Amino acid sequence: LAKTTQPISMDSYEGQEVNITCSHNNIATNDYITWYQQFPSQGPRFIIQGYKTKVTNEVASLFIPADRKSSTLSLPRVSLSDTAVYYCLVGDRGGSYIPTFGRGTSLIVHP
Amino acid sequence: DAGVTQSPTHLIKTRGQQVTLRCSPKSGHDTVSWYQQALGQGPQFIFQYYEEEERQRGNFPDRFSGHQFPNYSSELNVNALLLGDSALYLCASSWTSGTGELFFGEGSRLTVL
Repeated sequence: LAKTTQPISMDSYEGQEVNITCSHNNIATNDYITWYQQFPSQGPRFIIQGYKTKVTNEVASLFIPADRKSSTLSLPRVSLSDTAVYYCLVGDRGGSYIPTFGRGTSLIVHP
Repeated sequence: DAGVTQSPTHLIKTRGQQVTLRCSPKSGHDTVSWYQQALGQGPQFIFQYYEEEERQRGNFPDRFSGHQFPNYSSELNVNALLLGDSALYLCASSWTSGTGELFFGEGSRLTVL
């Protein structure tokens, strides 16, 4: 299982763009990269998933370089409600895949 | 369409007691996974159920057991509770032929005194 490394915490201000980078040096060919968001006392919520290059949805963008050894979650114009823990996961999505969570990145957005 | 529902939302037990937590998956999902989340930590995988069988198990003792019913709902049982079992227990459902995306419930907050 590919190990991921991401910053423990980040601070930002309302209206700024936030980029959270995750390292996954031993990512396998069949692995996808998935990001979840978690608010206190709630279950994690899927944000975005990608395999290579760039993926964008209504919430975020995910940038994956050609070597796929890292990925960057980009949150445009954050607000106070984006204060949460963000988890980067790597895995092959198959039926036996077990999403494994690390400690995540605690993002605090200041007024 | 109801998402993943868990019950109870909060409960308090004493050491040595037993607890049962329940989970109803999102409509159309056939796989249920259980996670334990201690304060300040990421969710830790307990086990996963598919077709009423335990498909995979994390590093948890046999005191933790589960069940999946024909309607895909699931239970998590913990026997001989320890203080260290105090945590948020999360149920996640998914479709085994899907993208691997997990849909989580709000969790059951267990406090062991």
